[in-house]
Amino acid sequence: QQQVKQSPQSLIVQKGGISIINCAYENTAFDYFPWYQQFPGKGPALLIAIRPDVSEKKEGRFTISFNKSAKQFSLHIMDSQPGDSATYFCAASRETSGSRLTFGEGTQLTVNP
Amino acid sequence: DAGITQSPRHKVTETGTPVTLRCHQTENHRYMYWYRQDPGHGLRLIHYSYGVKDTDKGEVSDGYSVSRSKTEDFLLTLESATSSQTSVYFCAISDHRDGYGYTFGSGTRLTVV
Repeated sequence: QQQVKQSPQSLIVQKGGISIINCAYENTAFDYFPWYQQFPGKGPALLIAIRPDVSEKKEGRFTISFNKSAKQFSLHIMDSQPGDSATYFCAASRETSGSRLTFGEGTQLTVNP
Repeated sequence: DAGITQSPRHKVTETGTPVTLRCHQTENHRYMYWYRQDPGHGLRLIHYSYGVKDTDKGEVSDGYSVSRSKTEDFLLTLESATSSQTSVYFCAISDHRDGYGYTFGSGTRLTVV
């Protein structure tokens, strides 16, 4: 079963707009929630991550919002740029799982100039 | 990607033939993983390794086997390739127990005809 569900599958945003990608998880034991960015022909790369002891983490234009009670977390990309066009994956893990990450289905983001 | 190399980058093989994909790292990281990436499914874990000769199954391990005889090498073998194993395969490494900071290789695109 898919323990981490991601939406939307694809997203088109105008340059300067806000991109929002959502993820929901089932396993309440998860304690680490990263986002990965993947460009065509490349492997995914860690973008930003959060732990459940905080509700928000910001790094530059990228922000993770975390809602523990709803078992949801989201990625916000402010002032979206064409260079942000990529596939984004949310993921989750728990320390006792021996560092195995469970990934969402991915979101194809296109930022139009 | 620096520190992790996958080979081959592309391969076309016939149904029923054995195939071995190689992941080589120079980071001396303890954990290594094989994922497959398919549209609509994100990244799914095939097998992973905690250390030399210490491996375990992921969520989609049927039809795959792995070996890790040295810290730096993690091999993925398709014993008898099927068309359903046509995919992009990614190797990842990590030195953290909780899943922090995966580094992915550039992937192997495998086509089974």
